[in-house]
Amino acid sequence: DTAVSQTPKYLVTQMGNDKSIKCEQNLGHDTMYWYKQDSKKFLKIMFSYNNKELIINETVPNRFSPKSPDKAHLNLHINSLELGDSAVYFCASSQPLREQFFGPGTRLTVL
Amino acid sequence: SQQGEEDPQALSIQEGENATMNCSYKTSINNLQWYRQNSGRGLVHLILIRSNEREKHSGRLRVTLDTSKKSSSLLITASRAADTASYFCATDAGTGNQFYFGTGTSLTVIP
Repeated sequence: DTAVSQTPKYLVTQMGNDKSIKCEQNLGHDTMYWYKQDSKKFLKIMFSYNNKELIINETVPNRFSPKSPDKAHLNLHINSLELGDSAVYFCASSQPLREQFFGPGTRLTVL
Repeated sequence: SQQGEEDPQALSIQEGENATMNCSYKTSINNLQWYRQNSGRGLVHLILIRSNEREKHSGRLRVTLDTSKKSSSLLITASRAADTASYFCATDAGTGNQFYFGTGTSLTVIP
């Protein structure tokens, strides 16, 4: 019973392509998040989203867009991929002000 | 800039010794959380401490919080080789819905 799952685990693509990463949680949490972890392990919040509000970190390029078909899913769509987008992307979920549950991560490599 | 910063960046100890990691943050918080990340894996929640709490225990883990100094510490007692991982603190910067992680402390426990 995987609490937070992400697909794919690895994604290798060319610059300029558009790609999506899917995330699903079966914990019944109200809020989901996307994080980017760079090669130095710095973890940066990109988005937080619940059924009422999307909060976007102001430093995230508008090429990145979260899409939530329902409360249990928050997918990440990336347009016009750049070399600097290479990183590990983590999805997480939580109830307000509670601990977060993380997915296993998606390692994105842009060539 | 990031909300939390861990110190030291790297720590190497012998099995059985205690490990102490520190976290400093910049703004008021609702709570502070500690997470562990094993190499190539997602983050796992360890302890959540609220802003009105000063100390919390969970098994071999002890967390302290000093809101006047905007700092927290994580103590792992009687360390084991399996404790080898990166440890991160995270705060909500008073927002309640976005979490900011530090750069992490890389702990190596030598058998």
